[in-house]
Amino acid sequence: GDSVTQMEGPVTLSEEAFLTINCTYTATGYPSLFWYVQYPGEGLQLLLKATKADDKGSNKGFEATYRKETTSFHLEKGSVQVSDSAVYFCALSDRFGNEKLTFGTGTRLTIIP
Amino acid sequence: GAGVSQSPSNKVTEKGKDVELRCDPISGHTALYWYRQSLGQGLEFLIYFQGNSAPDKSGLPSDRFSAERTGGSVSTLTIQRTQQEDSAVYLCASSLVGGDNEQFFGPGTRLTVL
Repeated sequence: GDSVTQMEGPVTLSEEAFLTINCTYTATGYPSLFWYVQYPGEGLQLLLKATKADDKGSNKGFEATYRKETTSFHLEKGSVQVSDSAVYFCALSDRFGNEKLTFGTGTRLTIIP
Repeated sequence: GAGVSQSPSNKVTEKGKDVELRCDPISGHTALYWYRQSLGQGLEFLIYFQGNSAPDKSGLPSDRFSAERTGGSVSTLTIQRTQQEDSAVYLCASSLVGGDNEQFFGPGTRLTVL
């Protein structure tokens, strides 16, 4: 079945550091890929998505590129801020079945001023 | 407009009791999903409703779990004879159907089984 493997956390970085959170997937067909974020005390919300190979999703300075050849969708940000502290989830959905999301385990990110 | 709402926000129950969790999706969203977020299992899919089609129940962990969606809108997730391992945050999401529409999540119901 479909699965998502995500970089284990927690991750602690200083403000303005470069961020990479690794995500790889296993899926039949051509899934859509997502990054969701859960800020402290808030609900899960979509950060960015990509629906086909080589697409780049971007939002709030975060980027991720759909790499079919390496089955990866790594999340990056060039300069993190304290407000980026949250739990980040990589996820996929099967576009040709129902659109349920299969999530990775989540990575807790803490940014230190 | 209003987002996905869930009630109650917190539920504490005793082992063996039945509980009902409610989800009000965004108006006009025909797809509705239930997920569970627990320390041991992460975020896992439970059940999916789409319009008038038969729901996809493939993620329900046991026959103690059931869900219904009345009138294509409000959904209720019922857990019978609760066990301690049912303790988790239960999340509901809704979306438009078709393509890669974003799923909008509710704030969740935190269930604690004593």
